Amino acid sequence: AQSVTQLDSQVPVFEEAPVELRCNYSSSVSVYLFWYVQYPNQGLQLLLKYLSGSTLVESINGFEAEFNKSQTSFHLRKPSVHISDTAEYFCAVSDSGGYQKVTFGTGTKLQVIP
Amino acid sequence: DAGVTQSPTHLIKTRGQHVTLRCSPISGHKSVSWYQQVLGQGPQFIFQYYEKEERGRGNFPDRFSARQFPNYSSELNVNALLLGDSALYLCASGWGSYEQYFGPGTRLTVT
Repeated sequence: AQSVTQLDSQVPVFEEAPVELRCNYSSSVSVYLFWYVQYPNQGLQLLLKYLSGSTLVESINGFEAEFNKSQTSFHLRKPSVHISDTAEYFCAVSDSGGYQKVTFGTGTKLQVIP
Repeated sequence: DAGVTQSPTHLIKTRGQHVTLRCSPISGHKSVSWYQQVLGQGPQFIFQYYEKEERGRGNFPDRFSARQFPNYSSELNVNALLLGDSALYLCASGWGSYEQYFGPGTRLTVT
């Protein structure tokens, strides 16, 4: 069985400041890792993913996440946040040999303060 | 290209009733998954279908069922609705890259 822990339920940060959203996972098999973003009253959008290869993955809007196998972590970072980044962020894991069942964390609400 | 579409957008039902939610995947995607997202929580996996066969089932009671049609669209059915079934129901489609694309969801309210 897999599980995902997002320790921070809410993260307030000032505009243009850096942010890190933490994610730890538990799995007995090889995994794929994802970050999804959910804006109010919308579905989820894939922000970035780790499948294999380079452990540092980047999104088109400046977010990055690093897969750390020894620490079973996949923290999300952005060096300078914008008001438009205000949303809820979900870390997720799937079994690399599975059929795309995805286990989600409980989410972190990022609130960017002007 | 159209993304994943879901209908209806919102739905209000009474306890004990039955509900059917519909999902159309992105063209070319053969896999559809359903998730339940209760307010304030992360999505919980309900079902996955691939090529019209059930490939995975989450920890949900038998009141929940689903099917996938030859055109890869899917229905989620919930019988004997309970207040606790109130949630956002999300459908996601994919095609083997282990990347899912989510629809906007159906907001179900049970009174």
